[in-house]
Amino acid sequence: GDSVTQMEGPVTLSEEAFLTINCTYTATGYPSLFWYVQYPGEGLQLLLKATKADDKGSNKGFEATYRKETTSFHLEKGSVQVSDSAVYFCALRGAGSYQLTFGKGTKLSVIP
Amino acid sequence: KAGVTQTPRYLIKTRGQQVTLSCSPISGHRSVSWYQQTPGQGLQFLFEYFSETQRNKGNFPGRFSGRQFSNSRSEMNVSTLELGDSALYLCASSPPDPAKYFGPGTRLTVL
Repeated sequence: GDSVTQMEGPVTLSEEAFLTINCTYTATGYPSLFWYVQYPGEGLQLLLKATKADDKGSNKGFEATYRKETTSFHLEKGSVQVSDSAVYFCALRGAGSYQLTFGKGTKLSVIP
Repeated sequence: KAGVTQTPRYLIKTRGQQVTLSCSPISGHRSVSWYQQTPGQGLQFLFEYFSETQRNKGNFPGRFSGRQFSNSRSEMNVSTLELGDSALYLCASSPPDPAKYFGPGTRLTVL
């Protein structure tokens, strides 16, 4: 079945540092890929998505590129802020499916 | 516009009881999905409804059920509660593209 593997957290960075959160997936066909963010005490928010190979999703300074050859969708941001502290989830939706399969989540803490 | 609303936000129940959770999607959205979030299992898909029809169901026992009404509001029910059902239950609504906007969740504690 479909699965998503994310790097284990927690990740602690200083403000303005470069962020990479690795995500790899296993799925048949051509899934759509997503990154969600969950701030403390809140539900999930869709951060960005990509629906086909080589697509780049971007939002709020975050980027991720759909790499089919490496089955990866790594999240990057050039300069993190304290307000980016949250839990980040990588997810996929299989072709023709109505459900998301999530990774375990990576907790990011950004310190001033 | 108003976001996804879930009620109640917090619930405490005892083993063996049943519980009903409610989700009101964003106006105009016809797809509603439910997910269970626990520290051990992470986020797991429960079911998805579109125009009152269940299109997909996750790998949960029959004690977990749901429905969607004509106004797109959805409810999920868990019968014969077990300790392991303690979780944050998240609802998401979308246009036909599933799970785009999530609500804040209902925190269920089973004692």
